[in-house]
Amino acid sequence: GAVVSQHPSRVICKSGTSVKIECRSLDFQATTMFWYRQFPKQSLMLMATSNEGSKATYEQGVEKDKFLINHASLTLSTLTVTSAHPEDSSFYICSARDSTRGGETQYFGPGTRLLVL
Amino acid sequence: QKEVEQDPGPLSVPEGAIVSLNCTYSNSAFQYFMWYRQYSRKGPELLMYTYSSGNKEDGRFTAQVDKSSKYISLFIRDSQPSDSATYLCAMRGSTLGRLYFGRGTQLTVWP
Repeated sequence: GAVVSQHPSRVICKSGTSVKIECRSLDFQATTMFWYRQFPKQSLMLMATSNEGSKATYEQGVEKDKFLINHASLTLSTLTVTSAHPEDSSFYICSARDSTRGGETQYFGPGTRLLVL
Repeated sequence: QKEVEQDPGPLSVPEGAIVSLNCTYSNSAFQYFMWYRQYSRKGPELLMYTYSSGNKEDGRFTAQVDKSSKYISLFIRDSQPSDSATYLCAMRGSTLGRLYFGRGTQLTVWP
């Protein structure tokens, strides 16, 4: 199956700093990538949809200036949490849609656990 | 009302048992239905993918969709301890539409 990687897998930072998370599709091209957030024992909450070469579409209630998304190539999307605060601590997961296979299936990355102190 | 409802469990069964996991939904436009398995601290892994109503079988896993009742199920036969994970249902209305997830059901299969 298709492989999606995320880096880093875990990050601990101080309040007020910015954190960048990378999402890569390793063996396919992804015109669309998605960023989710998951709290313990909760479902995945879609934060934004990222399209290569264009601005991301954010879900209602998600601050676009706080969660910066860049999708500069067909294999890489980045999420930057700016001025992180403890309430931003969560599990962030990306997924990528394989555009060469009709784009029906989303493949998920392993997730990045963010802890803001 | 949430788009997708799923009992979070936890569900605990002995090895070899048949497991039944279910989701209900409210949006009649949903046509594509998926089940994902998520191990602790990992990303979701696609298990089953079905379109519209009907059954689909893959090894020990069977997915059922009843659009008239807005109800989907995942059955696991001969459950194994390695099946212990959280199972998330997901669905969408169009081929390229966004996914709507259930909360996930935590399953433990004990030896």
